[in-house]
Amino acid sequence: SQQGEEDPQALSIQEGENATMNCSYKTSINNLQWYRQNSGRGLVHLILIRSNEREKHSGRLRVTLDTSKKSSSLLITASRAADTASYFCATGSGGSYIPTFGRGTSLIVHP
Amino acid sequence: NAGVTQTPKFQVLKTGQSMTLQCAQDMNHNSMYWYRQDPGMGLRLIYYSASEGTTDKGEVPNGYNVSRLNKREFSLRLESAAPSQTSVYFCATQGRTPYEQYFGPGTRLTVT
Repeated sequence: SQQGEEDPQALSIQEGENATMNCSYKTSINNLQWYRQNSGRGLVHLILIRSNEREKHSGRLRVTLDTSKKSSSLLITASRAADTASYFCATGSGGSYIPTFGRGTSLIVHP
Repeated sequence: NAGVTQTPKFQVLKTGQSMTLQCAQDMNHNSMYWYRQDPGMGLRLIYYSASEGTTDKGEVPNGYNVSRLNKREFSLRLESAAPSQTSVYFCATQGRTPYEQYFGPGTRLTVT
């Protein structure tokens, strides 16, 4: 069963704009990850944020985590057409080390 | 390094036919996973193998079997395919960093 729920389901922006997508979850977590999936490809791990961290950066990506609200956001700054993809959040909890994936946000960046 | 490879890339089966999806990795990872991805459903875990010689059921194991042939290979078998098994199947591995998974390119399966 899905733990994380991404919002919005779909996002369409112009190149150069920032893209923000959100993930909400229901139970306590150890960490939260974001993955990207280009059309017809497998998922690629982008970033992991631990439950004791509030913000993390990687290049043009900025991830925040608010455990009190059980939510996370992924910000892609100065988006490019190549950022067009689906983005999934995945939560990690307990001791199984297996992430639980959400349904994803489809991002389209128009050149 | 090829990473995670899957064969075949595409397959069409008739209801009742059987087939095996192959997955191989050269990352020397202990853990391997099989997921299915359906529109609007995200990824659902079918089976996983924490190490060579062990396999465990995931969220949706019915209708599937797996074999962890060795450390490199993890196969998924459909004994009697059903239209409900039409999906894209992904194999993934996980190394020493918990939760960080590496995915293969997927197999798109259609059952008619």
